[in-house]
Amino acid sequence: EVQLVQSGAEVKKPGESLKISCKGSGYSFTSYWIGWVRQMPGKGLEWMGIIDPSDSETRYSPPFQGQVTISADKSINTAYLQWSTLRASDTAMYYCARLYSKYGHPYYMDVWGRGTTVTVSS
Amino acid sequence: DIPMTQSPATLSLSPGERATLSCRASQSVSSNLAWYQQKSGQAPRLLIYGASTRATGIPARFSGSRSGTEFNLTISSLQSEDFAVYSCQQYNTWPHTFGQGTKLETK
Repeated sequence: EVQLVQSGAEVKKPGESLKISCKGSGYSFTSYWIGWVRQMPGKGLEWMGIIDPSDSETRYSPPFQGQVTISADKSINTAYLQWSTLRASDTAMYYCARLYSKYGHPYYMDVWGRGTTVTVSS
Repeated sequence: DIPMTQSPATLSLSPGERATLSCRASQSVSSNLAWYQQKSGQAPRLLIYGASTRATGIPARFSGSRSGTEFNLTISSLQSEDFAVYSCQQYNTWPHTFGQGTKLETK
């Protein structure tokens, strides 16, 4: 079974750092891009960025460029989303998703993780 | 960025009725358009890709269509499990933008 397993809920204080994970199984991890999507409370989906685990090429949406870092460790089939300095406005649900890919080009998100809740509060 | 505009924001219908949800791109995205369903407390699920191709396991009552930069998701006869939030996404151009979602609720 193809699945993405995300790390558990996090509660952090403003200014702290955080790294959440997304582990793929049941498929060739390096054959598909992985993306991260933010969903703030009561709001819609926001495409943050994606990574090609085979070579760690990344692409970010402008609002998230410089605010987060997406990385991957192909040896353990895991992608990451990290913050160096959290803000209260980072409070949200974060989903990882596999992107259907053809000839190395990423398309739609065909498999989703269950999400990681991040709460940032003093 | 390519803004994606969904309408209506909320659609109130009864089981058995037909639902039509719309999504408009600000410029051409070809047929690189996906629809996702998100039930309360759950992760999104891929319904449609390529504007009109149903994903694996998606019932035939769900269909997608395209006319230029206008896209529709149609549910032919609503079942109780279809009441959820539906989001469109273009994956033609970086970044792959989502619409703001349409909430399909029970009338």
